[in-house]
Amino acid sequence: KAGVTQTPRYLIKTRGQQVTLSCSPISGHRSVSWYQQTPGQGLQFLFEYFSETQRNKGNFPGRFSGRQFSNSRSEMNVSTLELGDSALYLCASSPQGPATNEKLFFGSGTQLSVL
Amino acid sequence: DQQVKQNSPSLSVQEGRISILNCDYTNSMFDYFLWYKKYPAEGPTFLISISSIKDKNEDGRFTVFLNKSAKHLSLHIVPSQPGDSAVYFCAATGRGGGSNYKLTFGKGTLLTVNP
Repeated sequence: KAGVTQTPRYLIKTRGQQVTLSCSPISGHRSVSWYQQTPGQGLQFLFEYFSETQRNKGNFPGRFSGRQFSNSRSEMNVSTLELGDSALYLCASSPQGPATNEKLFFGSGTQLSVL
Repeated sequence: DQQVKQNSPSLSVQEGRISILNCDYTNSMFDYFLWYKKYPAEGPTFLISISSIKDKNEDGRFTVFLNKSAKHLSLHIVPSQPGDSAVYFCAATGRGGGSNYKLTFGKGTLLTVNP
């Protein structure tokens, strides 16, 4: 079974631009979560989607948005990029979503650099 | 408000000895706890988990202990091996209080196992 696939692997953008990141979950997994990792800050939760519905959202500005398609694939978009958005963006999937006795499977991430 | 805390940013141990990584949490709604291991520029990999109905879970060299009254958990690695060198993240999830459908992560502990 293929793992969680994230594209692109690396991305370089300039301030003010926008970016779209893609995530394909493990086959059969309906929940997709997104996290941002910056040095020293651990993994910060962005949002979680299940059956095309956002069920939870972290404390990020409205410039960060996401969506999920009917085949469970997900995208996240960041508009008007700022230098502080430089981070590793991680996508994770699971059958039903983060809950008791259900773990998340992570992709390798997209490393975004904003210049 | 940091609901999951890993107070030791780093830990260094000798090969063959025990590694003990600690984690504290504040949200009483958390009922499932996980440990992930992460190498640079890769996604986290699930290591071991524990439900709040248990106080210990063991998997090979890895054991997680949960003390609910103290809101504390620890990961024991015995014996430690150089390949265990990585960042270890503690994570938690639960029902209600905004903890649904997301994992809340600590900031991680960098474990270095010296040969």
